[in-house]
Amino acid sequence: QSVLTQPPSVSAAPGQKVTISCSGSSSNIGNNYVSWYQQLPGTAPKLLIYDNNKRPSGIPDRFSGSKSGTSATLGITGLQTGDEADYYCGTWDSSLSAQVFGGGTKLTVL
Amino acid sequence: QVHLVQSESELKKPGASVKVSCKASGYTFTSYALNWVRQAPGEGLEWMGWINTNTGIPTPAQGFTGRFVFSLDTSVSTAYLQISSLKAEDTAVYYCARRSGYCTTGVCQKTFDYWGQGTLVTVSS
Repeated sequence: QSVLTQPPSVSAAPGQKVTISCSGSSSNIGNNYVSWYQQLPGTAPKLLIYDNNKRPSGIPDRFSGSKSGTSATLGITGLQTGDEADYYCGTWDSSLSAQVFGGGTKLTVL
Repeated sequence: QVHLVQSESELKKPGASVKVSCKASGYTFTSYALNWVRQAPGEGLEWMGWINTNTGIPTPAQGFTGRFVFSLDTSVSTAYLQISSLKAEDTAVYYCARRSGYCTTGVCQKTFDYWGQGTLVTVSS
């Protein structure tokens, strides 16, 4: 059971928009910054969003992040088949003194 | 550019030990903490802990004490994960990840900005 809760799967058609939620508590999302990671099939995770809403260089602006209270959201617009991957949210949990991840969300682009 | 290159896959028998390496390049090795993350087959990411690359002090996460040892060789910018008394349930891909960011006044901005390619450790008789 992950400390952060994500939907197991989401799907949308090419060109459409999708959002992935990540729910936590005051000890993690509520008081710390959230990152999002993309894991394409058979590859290592890759940083997509950090500090709630910042994109590393090279990440297209189709990807966005936001945070409100104890929840965070990853948004992807203009979906492409190459976006099919597992997406994980992550943050620090101050009560556990541990890095925590969501269980991951599998994105299918129909 | 930053690279973390891990050692190749390993097949081990139960009870044996394994040592996974993670060689860093493209940045000052001692300027960033080095973390380890486990991913069991078909499962999500699980944080194993980290090692301070300045002091060499490891901080394993709960559930990763005892059999799991983090170490460094700063002369070759390499971090190591050693697992002893291997069990079938240790079968997983192990990733090293560079952590950037910091904590101030109880608020943490930490992120894993670069990851190794992963090392599959298979434990089977």
